[in-house]
Amino acid sequence: QVQLVQSGAEVKKPGSSVKVSCKASGGTFSNYAISWVRQAPGQGLEWMGGIIPIFGTANYTQKFQGRVTITADKSTSTAYMDLSSLRYEDTAVYYCARDHPPVVGGSPSAAGGWFDPWGQGTLVTVSS
Amino acid sequence: EIVMTQSPATLSVSPGKRATLSCRASQSVSSNLAWYQQKPGQAPRLLIYDASTGATGFPARFSGSGSGTEFTLTISSLQSEDFAIYYCQQYNTWPLTFGQGTRLEIK
Repeated sequence: QVQLVQSGAEVKKPGSSVKVSCKASGGTFSNYAISWVRQAPGQGLEWMGGIIPIFGTANYTQKFQGRVTITADKSTSTAYMDLSSLRYEDTAVYYCARDHPPVVGGSPSAAGGWFDPWGQGTLVTVSS
Repeated sequence: EIVMTQSPATLSVSPGKRATLSCRASQSVSSNLAWYQQKPGQAPRLLIYDASTGATGFPARFSGSGSGTEFTLTISSLQSEDFAIYYCQQYNTWPLTFGQGTRLEIK
């Protein structure tokens, strides 16, 4: 049973960057996409994008294009989400989640399915 | 982008009773719909995928139905541990989108 363990809470200043990690253990890593979803305080869920480690290419929603970079290190079964030019409204809990279905025969070619399991979440606070 | 609208925003139901939660998509998502349960301070958990397939770890009192633009999550006999926020999510069309959630509370 795969588990996703994320890095700890961060406090960042406006305009800076944050990098959150997500380490998978207990299961297959490379042939499932890892997606990132955020949740602002008291709000709903927002998908940011994802990566399929065996392909190495990430895809992002238009809202975050240019500000977010998602990478994966197959050797350590760890995915990363780097968000730059932070604004106050980026204050949120950031979750990683394993994307389904798994890649079989080259399909799917990009992240974007249902999510199970999820990491425990990482609170990123943007404050001056 | 596809807008997912959940109703009601808050549902008050007594333990042992049936709860019916709705999710509507602004355009067809076929059966590419998932439901999640989220409790305070916890990450969401997958409940249903492909509109009606139950995820591992949830009892049979949870069921999903629907296709196209109209979906329903039914909890047949509410237990205390079922009071939480429920989100639907479509994965038919990029970008993936979630509903705003339905808070299920004890009546």
